[in-house]
Amino acid sequence: EVQLVESGGGLAQPGTSLRLSCAASGFTFDDYAMHWVRQAPGKGLEWVAGISWNSDSIDYADSVKGRFTISRDHAKKSLYLQMNSLRTEDTALYYCVKDKIPFFAYFGIFALWGQGTQVTVSS
Amino acid sequence: DIQMTQSPSSLSASVGDRVTITCQANQDISNYLNWYQQKPGKAPKLLIYDASNLETGVPSRFSGSGSGTDFTFTISSLQPEDIATYYCQQYDNLPPRFGGGTRVEIE
Repeated sequence: EVQLVESGGGLAQPGTSLRLSCAASGFTFDDYAMHWVRQAPGKGLEWVAGISWNSDSIDYADSVKGRFTISRDHAKKSLYLQMNSLRTEDTALYYCVKDKIPFFAYFGIFALWGQGTQVTVSS
Repeated sequence: DIQMTQSPSSLSASVGDRVTITCQANQDISNYLNWYQQKPGKAPKLLIYDASNLETGVPSRFSGSGSGTDFTFTISSLQPEDIATYYCQQYDNLPPRFGGGTRVEIE
C-alpha cells in the first residue's frame, strides 16, 4: 500500500526542539521530491519545506527559515523535519507530502499526503 | 511571493447543483495550478493538477480550467460526499502557496 506515516509530534515549550519523521512505503521513495505542509487549528494550508529527489534542492517558507531543517534518508525511506527554536505560531498539524512526478524539477504537485502529526507549542 | 485569492470563502448549494470556485494569482503562473479537497478531519487530496488535469480515480464531475492568473474549479453536479473545503495551490514560483480555501456545504 502506498502510504506516508508521520511521527514525532507532541507538546513542546517555546524555544525547544522537535524532530518529525515520515516513513514512506509502497513507492520508490528515492525518485520523488518530498515536502512538509502544515495546518494550524481551523486555518488553511501552509507549505513549510521541500526537498528534491536527490536532495540537491531544498527550500523553506520564510516563516521557518533558519529554524527548521528538512532532510531525507533513502536507505530508511524516511523524511525528517528538525524543528528548532519553536514558537507558539508553529502549532499545527504537520503533513508529510509526496510530489506527483518523479525527478521533476519543480516543487510541487502534492499527490500523496500522510495523516499528519500534531505539534503543539505552549508554555 | 505569489499570492492566491480564492472565492468565495464558503458556499451552500443543493445536491445536483453546479458549483464554481475561482482562484486568482497576482501574477502569471501559466497553468501551474492545482486543486485539493479536504474533508473534515482528513488530509487533503489532490483532485486537479496543472489547471485542468483530473487526477487518477477522481470522479469526472470535478473539473478545472484557466491559465495565466484566473482559474476556475467546477463540480458539475454536487453530491453529498463533496462536502469539504477546497484549496487551490500554485507552484510556478517558490514558495508553493495555497489559496485561503472554500468551504462547500449542502443546503
